[in-house]
Amino acid sequence: NAGVTQTPKFQVLKTGQSMTLQCAQDMNHEYMSWYRQDPGMGLRLIHYSVGAGITDQGEVPNGYNVSRSTTEDFPLRLLSAAPSQTSVYFCASSYGGILTEAFFGQGTRLTVV
Amino acid sequence: RKEVEQDPGPFNVPEGATVAFNCTYSNSASQSFFWYRQDCRKEPKLLMSVYSSGNEDGRFTAQLNRASQYISLLIRDSKLSDSATYLCVVTPNNAGNMLTFGGGTRLMVKP
Repeated sequence: NAGVTQTPKFQVLKTGQSMTLQCAQDMNHEYMSWYRQDPGMGLRLIHYSVGAGITDQGEVPNGYNVSRSTTEDFPLRLLSAAPSQTSVYFCASSYGGILTEAFFGQGTRLTVV
Repeated sequence: RKEVEQDPGPFNVPEGATVAFNCTYSNSASQSFFWYRQDCRKEPKLLMSVYSSGNEDGRFTAQLNRASQYISLLIRDSKLSDSATYLCVVTPNNAGNMLTFGGGTRLMVKP
């Protein structure tokens, strides 16, 4: 029962470096999303996708890119890391529809120094 | 003003107590409502969806008041294992892919 798998679990980057956070789900969910969680802020939506080939911006998209070439995978790219991107990142997937449950990955703890 | 607001707590209660959390949301067009639970350094997990008529799941009862734009969660007979952060979540649609989270309410249940 893999569910939603995120890699890596921890990462330290230097300012200006780029990297990709991986997210994969094996539940055949159409909907996938990326959130970041900062202390006292709750989770905030970065980007989301309603199916392969379709992506859109959420509340805090600046500095991040996404693509959805397959139903299973939804990678998040940090183009040029900044200390303000230090956060915990969660990927989520769901079927969509009324009152549908979102399933989250275990998170990636990113520190930018 | 945040779209979804919660009292951050912490709420410190003894085992067996009844505790209630409230959450207010600003977008009157919100369609779906949830309570998620998040343990320390873990991912959020769905606790329960919130139906318009209110709903109960064991010791947990959720209520929705659309007119006043608030959601509540009642936990009866608190257990040590209920200690966690409870996240109020709303969505602007029924797709479940654009979740708006409150900052969470921390609950600590003590022996």
